[in-house]
Amino acid sequence: EPEVTQTPSHQVTQMGQEVILRCVPISNHLYFYWYRQILGQKVEFLVSFYNNEISEKSEIFDDQFSVERPDGSNFTLKIRSTKLEDSAMYFCASTPGGGAHYNEQFFGPGTRLTVL
Amino acid sequence: EDKVVQSPLSLVVHEGDTVTLNCSYEVTNFRSLLWYKQEKKAPTFLFMLTSSGIEKKSGRLSSILDKKELFSILNITATQTGDSAVYLCAVGATIQGAQKLVFGQGTRLTINP
Repeated sequence: EPEVTQTPSHQVTQMGQEVILRCVPISNHLYFYWYRQILGQKVEFLVSFYNNEISEKSEIFDDQFSVERPDGSNFTLKIRSTKLEDSAMYFCASTPGGGAHYNEQFFGPGTRLTVL
Repeated sequence: EDKVVQSPLSLVVHEGDTVTLNCSYEVTNFRSLLWYKQEKKAPTFLFMLTSSGIEKKSGRLSSILDKKELFSILNITATQTGDSAVYLCAVGATIQGAQKLVFGQGTRLTINP
């Protein structure tokens, strides 16, 4: 069964460093998402991406964050200068379509980011 | 502000019991309500509900949506230890074609043998 994959599973970085989290969505999916879950808290929406541009972003997704689909398969989340409060589990998700159809989002296993 | 509230936050029962998990929401541009099970890492999909009053069933799990009262319930009958997990309720809100999920804080269900 096709699945969303994410790498690395765990990333440790120093405050102020840049990190890139990688995701490979399911191959025929068109909409891509990033969510994060701080330990013990809710899963929070960060950004949605379609047709090579951001569809919507939350207030969490500030100028330190960016997303990219550099080729036909990868979908990346970059945090330019990490802060301690960026420590969280980051989930990538994808759907075949948006709007009224195919609302189920398939989640990857997550990348645990630890900022020291 | 979009809001999804789950109750209870935590529930401990014995194997074989039946449980009901609750989810209420206030979300603009509502499209659907989804239930996920989160064990160790990624949320895994259980149900998607878009219409009021139509029960979705999968084995011992079932769920129903009330769009007038803005809530949903997830029932698990004859619980097993493998049902122990965090159950997440999420509401899909569509803006400009893409859909974001607004999650509740989850219900941590523990099934004791």
